[in-house]
Amino acid sequence: GENVEQHPSTLSVQEGDSAVIKCTYSDSASNYFPWYKQELGKRPQLIIDIRSNVGEKKDQRIAVTLNKTAKHFSLHITETQPEDSAVYFCAASMSNTDKLIFGTGTRLQVFP
Amino acid sequence: EAQVTQNPRYLITVTGKKLTVTCSQNMNHEYMSWYRQDPGLGLRQIYYSMNVEVTDKGDVPEGYKVSRKEKRNFPLILESPSPNQTSLYFCASSAIRLTSTEAFFGQGTRLTVV
Repeated sequence: GENVEQHPSTLSVQEGDSAVIKCTYSDSASNYFPWYKQELGKRPQLIIDIRSNVGEKKDQRIAVTLNKTAKHFSLHITETQPEDSAVYFCAASMSNTDKLIFGTGTRLQVFP
Repeated sequence: EAQVTQNPRYLITVTGKKLTVTCSQNMNHEYMSWYRQDPGLGLRQIYYSMNVEVTDKGDVPEGYKVSRKEKRNFPLILESPSPNQTSLYFCASSAIRLTSTEAFFGQGTRLTVV
């Protein structure tokens, strides 16, 4: 079946450094790619999303890039802060269905 | 305040005892969905609903039932819970199709089946 692979599963960075999380998807017709952040004990919340007609999108310190040919997309966080520590999930829409397939998550730790 | 509300937040039950987890949203969203979250497996979709009286299976529907009699409510029913259904459950809603717009999640229900 269709799936989304996410790497790495854990990521530790020093405050101020950049963090990159990568996802690959299998359905070449996927057209919507959101990223969710889940802080410890909290619900997932959307932080940024991108559609297939766009190659890159930025929102302050967060950016997402999409390579449709290679079927992968990445989340970039610059100037990381301790409050960026959380689990991040990527997701991809499945064509001809109303399903959103999530990756397995990346636990990001930002050390002061 | 716009929100998705799940109840209960925590539940411990015994194998075979039927239970219902409720989910309600006040945003007039058409689309609602249930997910389970397990370590190393991410969020997996159980069931979803495009509108009242319209439901469909997600990726892991076995052992679960849902209903959508009203737009705002989407309860998850476990007719005969088993220990492998111990998990963290999230309900989510979105204005239109989940595959094109933001999903709003409930606060989660941690279920333990002993």
